[in-house]
Amino acid sequence: NAGVTQTPKFQVLKTGQSMTLQCAQDMNHNSMYWYRQDPGMGLRLIYYSASEGTTDKGEVPNGYNVSRLNKREFSLRLESAAPSQTSVYFCASSWTGRDTEAFFGQGTRLTVV
Amino acid sequence: SQQGEEDPQALSIQEGENATMNCSYKTSINNLQWYRQNSGRGLVHLILIRSNEREKHSGRLRVTLDTSKKSSSLLITASRAADTASYFCARAGWGKFQFGAGTQVVVTP
Repeated sequence: NAGVTQTPKFQVLKTGQSMTLQCAQDMNHNSMYWYRQDPGMGLRLIYYSASEGTTDKGEVPNGYNVSRLNKREFSLRLESAAPSQTSVYFCASSWTGRDTEAFFGQGTRLTVV
Repeated sequence: SQQGEEDPQALSIQEGENATMNCSYKTSINNLQWYRQNSGRGLVHLILIRSNEREKHSGRLRVTLDTSKKSSSLLITASRAADTASYFCARAGWGKFQFGAGTQVVVTP
């Protein structure tokens, strides 16, 4: 069972470069999420998608864009990377119900130099 | 800002001891969830407690919820080295999850 798959697992970018983080889930979930995790900060929501074709900003959306390509895939794009975007990025998915749990990918460790 | 705040930030215990961590939140909840994160991995769901429940058990895990105090606690009984991880609470419901900063637990043999 693949669950939530993120690529790549590691990435080093130079300031100003762009890249797209890919995420795919095989659980037929409606909702998908992108979080970033920084030391001592827990997980902060960047963007989420409640269903195919819809996306909404989370707590820290600046500097990011997302695309819900289809029900399975939700990508996160950094148009012009900055050192402040050095972080570990997690994709997650869930059903959209009252008492549902989130399933997480393994994370992408991004360093911007 | 986090909706769930865990306390303590770090906890070090020996195998066989119990580990207790607390979570406070600011606004009303549909449910409160606890997740574990092993080093370098994604979060894994442990247990969910609904807003109308006061206590829930799952194996060696015991979760309590006090909605009047807006707080929850997670107790891990008879800790093992494999319980070494970070533990996060999440205020959740209807597809929304808001996580706290987590408690780092180290269990030494």
